Amino acid sequence: GQSLEQPSEVTAVEGAIVQINCTYQTSGFYGLSWYQQHDGGAPTFLSYNGLDGLEETGRFSSFLSRSDSYGYLLLQELQMKDSASYFCAVNGGGSYIPTFGRGTSLIVHP
Amino acid sequence: DTAVSQTPKYLVTQMGNDKSIKCEQNLGHDTMYWYKQDSKKFLKIMFSYNNKELIINETVPNRFSPKSPDKAHLNLHINSLELGDSAVYFCASSQGQVYSPLHFGNGTRLTVT
Repeated sequence: GQSLEQPSEVTAVEGAIVQINCTYQTSGFYGLSWYQQHDGGAPTFLSYNGLDGLEETGRFSSFLSRSDSYGYLLLQELQMKDSASYFCAVNGGGSYIPTFGRGTSLIVHP
Repeated sequence: DTAVSQTPKYLVTQMGNDKSIKCEQNLGHDTMYWYKQDSKKFLKIMFSYNNKELIINETVPNRFSPKSPDKAHLNLHINSLELGDSAVYFCASSQGQVYSPLHFGNGTRLTVT
């Protein structure tokens, strides 16, 4: 099967940088993706890493190390609107269906 | 111009009833999914379907069944509802069987009393 671990909660202040880590276990790894979900809303896609390295999209970056089965989401210049849950999701095990981690609740304080 | 839409947004019903949730996508995607999100926000895949293959998570009770009249629709039927079925159900779609991002609907909050 597949499993993922990510912290349950992270807090930070506006303007800061925060990193949300994700470790995973799967066979036949394809890639790691990240989703954001605000309370009462739908998950929305943020980024995908299929190869090692850093992917940057505006204030958000995502990193992957396949040899370490590890990735992270980096959020810079935090804003209050970034308060949300962030999910890592792995594609692997011969399936294209993403398996989600349990999510990290990010709380941004003024 | 909603990409993935599901109805109803809220559903309150009694134990033992049968209910359906509808989902439609206008993205031209060929794969659709149903996920269940529990009170602890855990997103669990229930079904994945494209025009060739239905994949069922083996932990899903057979009271749950997906029905797809065409590739733009994947409805979820639930028979004999139980208290533990209370959750938010999300429909999603993606393109193809190689990786592509999931596009989620806004969710249906099901409450079983």
